[in-house]
Parts: sequence; structure tokens; C-alpha cells
Amino acid sequence: ETGVTQSPTHLIKTRGQQVTLRCSSQSGHNTVSWYQQALGQGPQFIFQYYREEENGRGNFPPRFSGLQFPNYSSELNVNALELDDSALYLCASSLATSGGETQYFGPGTRLLVL
Amino acid sequence: QKEVEQNSGPLSVPEGAIASLNCTYSDRGSQSFFWYRQYSGKSPELIMSIYSNGDKEDGRFTAQLNKASQYVSLLIRDSQPSDSATYLCAVNSGYSTLTFGKGTMLLVSP
Repeated sequence: ETGVTQSPTHLIKTRGQQVTLRCSSQSGHNTVSWYQQALGQGPQFIFQYYREEENGRGNFPPRFSGLQFPNYSSELNVNALELDDSALYLCASSLATSGGETQYFGPGTRLLVL
Repeated sequence: QKEVEQNSGPLSVPEGAIASLNCTYSDRGSQSFFWYRQYSGKSPELIMSIYSNGDKEDGRFTAQLNKASQYVSLLIRDSQPSDSATYLCAVNSGYSTLTFGKGTMLLVSP
């Protein structure tokens, strides 16, 4: 167990809807990164939050957005859901110091878009 | 485009054998390298991190890094059926951003 929690564990939505996924980081960690993992693929970086600011973004459209709260927990919001958004969404927490820190993953949220 | 390449497998080894998993990466500026294990339907679990050229051992696992060849490997000694999983190679090329390979599936037969 990494101490990183995510909710919900599973979610079914229809195309065009909006979804919010939540993540609580490991105690003492101040950085949260979000990844999307499609079936048979490695995780793909969506974005990272450090001290409530976005600190890097992968190749995802603006309909993917996020927040980090003062307690370092985080949300991932996806608007106008598309069928290809069906994936495992992973949150990883780390303690940012000088870069290259180890990231610890939560159990993930499996999203199915119909 | 930063890329991490892994053989998708499956790599099949008998119980007790050494499993060798390989990974190459494209960004010469990469500084940190990680191996994660992912069981089917679960999230990635950290096995090893390595930052310097050479070998790093932790129990039955040994990570090897060669920055000149842009190559990282993971050796699993005395492989057990419980080691059957997908092994993900991840490379840090920017501030805490990980680029993952697609993973290699390992099957250890009793």
C-alpha cells in the first residue's frame, strides 16, 4: 500500500458528459501527477500539480483540467467525454525536491465511456 | 518526442530461472530510471529506481543502467509464478515527469 487513495474505483459515463476524479496523496508528499493508461499501453502523463499550481502538462486537450488543494489532494476533471477517454486513470504522489523523485501510484479509477 | 521502448513479450521463463527485461530510451538528458510491476487490473507498483551507471541490487531484483547506450534492464533471479505481471520501464526526463514504455509481460511457469 502506497498511502495514495483514489475515488471512485469505477465509473461509467456517456459520451459528452463530464467527470471528476479524486486523489489523496501520501502523507508528506506535495506533488500529484495524473496519468491515463489505455488497455495494453503504458501510462501517459496528463499533468502534474505542485503547491496548487500546474507544473507540467502532457499532450492532452484543455478539456482535461485539474486542481490541487492546500492539503495536496487533487482532482482531475474531464469535460465533453469521448469514447477514447475510456481508460485507467492513475494518480501518483511524490515529494518534490530537485526533480527525478520517485512517484507512488494510487489504485486508479477505471472510467468507461459509452 | 521522448520515447521509451520495451519488448511487449510475453517473456516466458520457468520457475527458478533468471528473467531479463530490457528498455531503451531516446532522451540523453534522462536522469532517473524506474521499474514498476503491474498486475492485471491493478496499478503500477515500484520495484526499483536507479540513477547512476552500473548495477543496483535489491533482493532478487537487479537494475542495470548504461547511459551511454541509453539502456536500462531489470534482472529477476529465482523467478516465481507470483512474478508473472507486466513490467513497466519509466524514465524521468523533466521535473518529475515520467515517460513510460508499453511494458513487457512476464510469464513464469511452475
